[in-house]
Amino acid sequence: SQQGEEDPQALSIQEGENATMNCSYKTSINNLQWYRQNSGRGLVHLILIRSNEREKHSGRLRVTLDTSKKSSSLLITASRAADTASYFCATDGGGSEKLVFGKGTKLTVNP
Amino acid sequence: DAGVTQSPTHLIKTRGQQVTLRCSPKSGHDTVSWYQQALGQGPQFIFQYYEEEERQRGNFPDRFSGHQFPNYSSELNVNALLLGDSALYLCASSLGVGRIREQFFGPGTRLTVL
Repeated sequence: SQQGEEDPQALSIQEGENATMNCSYKTSINNLQWYRQNSGRGLVHLILIRSNEREKHSGRLRVTLDTSKKSSSLLITASRAADTASYFCATDGGGSEKLVFGKGTKLTVNP
Repeated sequence: DAGVTQSPTHLIKTRGQQVTLRCSPKSGHDTVSWYQQALGQGPQFIFQYYEEEERQRGNFPDRFSGHQFPNYSSELNVNALLLGDSALYLCASSLGVGRIREQFFGPGTRLTVL
């Protein structure tokens, strides 16, 4: 079963705009990770945020985590056509080393 | 520095057959995890191998089995294939066990069962 639920399921924006994707999960976690997947191929790790962190930045990416609401958000600023992909959040399920993924958000950035 | 590699890229089998998928971890990594990703879904954890032993297993039947070799590469075997086994199979590698870590994914093997 999948723990996370990304919202929205699909998002279409213009180049230069910001894209925000949300993730909700069910159980307590030690960390939450975001991954990108292009065209149904392998996943690329974007960022990991630990349960005692509230916000983390990496380049044009900003991730927030609210453990009280069991939710996280991924913000991509100044989006580019190359950002077109599916984005997944994954949790560790509270100590397990397996990753538990949501269904993903499909982002389309139009040139 | 070689990343995670998987073979084959694509595979077509018929129901009831058996299949073996292969994975070589990223250089320096010793832990391999396998995931199944159905179309339109997120990946689901199958199992993890470390020191040639299965450490954790997801909710998959015994038809799914694996192996890890002394060089840390791994195989995923699926017996008595069902139509529902059609999916992208992803291998991920990491270093060590017992703590939070980033997993590096391979490009996947797309299995189609007819």
